[in-house]
Amino acid sequence: ILNVEQSPQSLHVQEGDSTNFTCSFPSSNFYALHWYRWETAKSPEALFVMTLNGDEKKKGRISATLNTKEGYSYLYIKGSQPEDSATYLCASAVNNDMRFGAGTRLTVKP
Amino acid sequence: DSGVTQTPKHLITATGQRVTLRCSPRSGDLSVYWYQQSLDQGLQFLIQYYNGEERAKGNILERFSAQQFPDLHSELNLSSLELGDSALYFCASSGTSGRSYEQYFGPGTRLTVT
Repeated sequence: ILNVEQSPQSLHVQEGDSTNFTCSFPSSNFYALHWYRWETAKSPEALFVMTLNGDEKKKGRISATLNTKEGYSYLYIKGSQPEDSATYLCASAVNNDMRFGAGTRLTVKP
Repeated sequence: DSGVTQTPKHLITATGQRVTLRCSPRSGDLSVYWYQQSLDQGLQFLIQYYNGEERAKGNILERFSAQQFPDLHSELNLSSLELGDSALYFCASSGTSGRSYEQYFGPGTRLTVT
């Protein structure tokens, strides 16, 4: 089974920095790509769901892009704030399955 | 608060036992998904129900089963429990059967098997 890979595993940035991370997924039988924000001791919170190649979505300072042909998605955070500190998970919906990456743990230092 | 509720919050039981986890979806949502998060394996999709019917199956063991009732709440039954079943079990709901829509996660049930 091909896995969903996220990089980097963890990231430390200063407040105000912009940052991005990557989700790689199998491009065959692609159905949808989900991004979640997961704070410690809470449950995953949906950020974006993308389905079309070239899709770009934005919510405040967070945006995401999708390339289904090559099997990757980028998540961008502009002007990181300490409250952005969380694990960012991506999941690929393929066939009858949802496959999650291990997440990127972001820490934003004030 | 996502609007999805799960009970109980914590459960401690012994190997070989059987437990039932309960999930109530957001008002109006017809789909319920169950996920398992264990320390060594990350978040794993178990099963999806839509309007009372099984819609998709992931890495669910034969010892586990689920159902969705007419009022749309769902139960995940775990039997012949093993130490390795200790994990955080999430349910999530969405308005449709398709996996191209946002899923709203409940707070999870922490299961500890001793």
